[in-house]
Amino acid sequence: EAEVAQSPRYKITEKSQAVAFWCDPISGHATLYWYRQILGQGPELLVQFQDESVVDDSQLPKDRFSAERLKGVDSTLKIQPAELGDSAMYLCASSDLAGAYNEQFFGPGTRLTVL
Amino acid sequence: AQTVTQSQPEMSVQEAETVTLSCTYDTSESDYYLFWYKQPPSRQMILVIRQEAYKQQNATENRFSVNFQKAAKSFSLKISDSQLGDAAMYFCAYRSARDGGSNYKLTFGKGTLLTVNP
Repeated sequence: EAEVAQSPRYKITEKSQAVAFWCDPISGHATLYWYRQILGQGPELLVQFQDESVVDDSQLPKDRFSAERLKGVDSTLKIQPAELGDSAMYLCASSDLAGAYNEQFFGPGTRLTVL
Repeated sequence: AQTVTQSQPEMSVQEAETVTLSCTYDTSESDYYLFWYKQPPSRQMILVIRQEAYKQQNATENRFSVNFQKAAKSFSLKISDSQLGDAAMYFCAYRSARDGGSNYKLTFGKGTLLTVNP
């Protein structure tokens, strides 16, 4: 069964360092989402791509966060510089516009700890 | 903007018993989708059940069923015959039924941690 892949699964970094997360969506899924899940809260959308174009990045802290999906397939989310408050789980999801309900399938996430 | 509220941070249930998780939401839209997602420890989030707002009939998936009260903006999840594998964080989520753009994003509640006792 096809799954969304994410790496790394865990990342520990010091504040002011740069970090990057990678996501490979289910093959053929045109829509890709990055969510941030702070401990004790539900996921919140950071950025949404349709193919290689950004659809919604209204909640992305653009002074330090960037996201790209250059070929409309896999995607990278970068934080530079990382801050203590960035410690969270970063979830990637993908969906197929042609599928029922545009159901989103989630990856296992990257747990980031900023020291 | 839509909001989703889960008022039960934690719930527990005995194996084989029934438990109900609560969710309320706020929206000005008339057509939308509601979801319950399950997030087991260290594993990915998976969809448990979905409900279309235009459908009056409550959705059912095996041991999982919902009580959808559109006027009250309430969407609870009932798990029957609870199993140890049901232990997880459960999230209620909302999505607009409008097509295109940012309408596909999910708005989540804070979650309910379900413990199943043997």
